[in-house]
Amino acid sequence: AQTVTQSQPEMSVQEAETVTLSCTYDTSESDYYLFWYKQPPSRQMILVIRQEAYKQQNATENRFSVNFQKAAKSFSLKISDSQLGDAAMYFCAYRYYNNAGNMLTFGGGTRLMVKP
Amino acid sequence: GAGVSQSPSNKVTEKGKDVELRCDPISGHTALYWYRQSLGQGLEFLIYFQGNSAPDKSGLPSDRFSAERTGGSVSTLTIQRTQQEDSAVYLCASSQSGDRRYGYTFGSGTRLTVV
Repeated sequence: AQTVTQSQPEMSVQEAETVTLSCTYDTSESDYYLFWYKQPPSRQMILVIRQEAYKQQNATENRFSVNFQKAAKSFSLKISDSQLGDAAMYFCAYRYYNNAGNMLTFGGGTRLMVKP
Repeated sequence: GAGVSQSPSNKVTEKGKDVELRCDPISGHTALYWYRQSLGQGLEFLIYFQGNSAPDKSGLPSDRFSAERTGGSVSTLTIQRTQQEDSAVYLCASSQSGDRRYGYTFGSGTRLTVV
């Protein structure tokens, strides 16, 4: 079974600094997608960035980028120039197929605090 | 609709009562998912609907939990004889297709409190 692990329950960063959130996963598949979601206090899960396993180039979305290490099954999120609005829970997720279709499996989340 | 809509936003119920949680997915999205998020925890998969296929109920924690999706659109998650451990945020999400390229679009969830 696929599992996703986020080893950092909480992280803290100074405003305007850079922070990296870690994520590792376990799978026997070769083709899959990885996602980072942000969940602010409003509870709405917001897609931040996604990565296809077959693409070697790391995905980037403005201040958000990933470091995807397929062999190591690692998928970390880097937030540059951190802003107060970045404070939220961040979830790493893996998408696979099961018999019925496809599912997202989530890690346990990392709470990011941004200090002014 | 423009987004995934869930109702009610908050629900307080007495232990032993039944509750119904509603999810209205994005129009045209064939896949619909229910997840449960306990306080400060990650997301626990409950059930998945894809088009007219039989739903994947493998995540439902007990037979007190059930869900249906009428007409391939609105879904209702029902919890019978609620227990205090059912207290959580219940999140619904929909997806454009079974294609794994697409992430989910989530609703804002229903916070259920069983007293």
